Amino acid sequence: SYVLTQPPSVSVAPGQTARITCGGNNIGSKSVHWYQQKPGQAPVLVVYDDSDRPSGIPERFSGSNSGNTATLTISRVEAGDEADYYCQVWDSSSDHPGVVFGGGTKLTVL
Amino acid sequence: QLQLQESGPGLVKPSETLSLTCTVSGGSISSSSYYWGWIRQPPGKGLEWIGSIYYSGSTYYNPSLKSRVTISVDTSKNQFSLKLSSVTAADTAVYYCARLFGLEMLHGWGQGTLVTVSS
Repeated sequence: SYVLTQPPSVSVAPGQTARITCGGNNIGSKSVHWYQQKPGQAPVLVVYDDSDRPSGIPERFSGSNSGNTATLTISRVEAGDEADYYCQVWDSSSDHPGVVFGGGTKLTVL
Repeated sequence: QLQLQESGPGLVKPSETLSLTCTVSGGSISSSSYYWGWIRQPPGKGLEWIGSIYYSGSTYYNPSLKSRVTISVDTSKNQFSLKLSSVTAADTAVYYCARLFGLEMLHGWGQGTLVTVSS
């Protein structure tokens, strides 16, 4: 089955740029979606199809995807961005196609 | 505005069947654009996809759970449901229902419901 690998944690000072990576075999050939989850809340889609933003998501959230790594970039990080972030793809390559999540990255705003 | 609401028992005994229902409001479950899915999250852990269903009844399941999972849809009630059999403590989790654009992207989640497996 397809595996997505994220760093367990990323720390950044307010106003700086946070980059959260998501590694997978030839992930650049897939569409990657990113979710933000704050404590006690359901996940929220923040980037879809590698780099598009749903309505209502600040322009500070952006994404890229190439080769074996997708990246969620959060510019001008604010305290309210502190959350867990998950990448996700649809894996159609195996005998059992399905939704695959990365393990999640905890973003800490210092 | 789309809303999804999970409902069902918060406590299930080991070896029994977990049953949850997701009620969709503010949109039709019969829309051709969407699948509908179940995702769970054990306490302190990450997200795990359980399975997805189309309004026609077509399903995809996580292979690690497939032998124990049944997802069904009731278009007349705008609901879809999850049954997970032979549960153990490892199935204790917050269970979310969600809308999927096509098969891929989850945009629109329920608030989640905690299901504890314990005698």
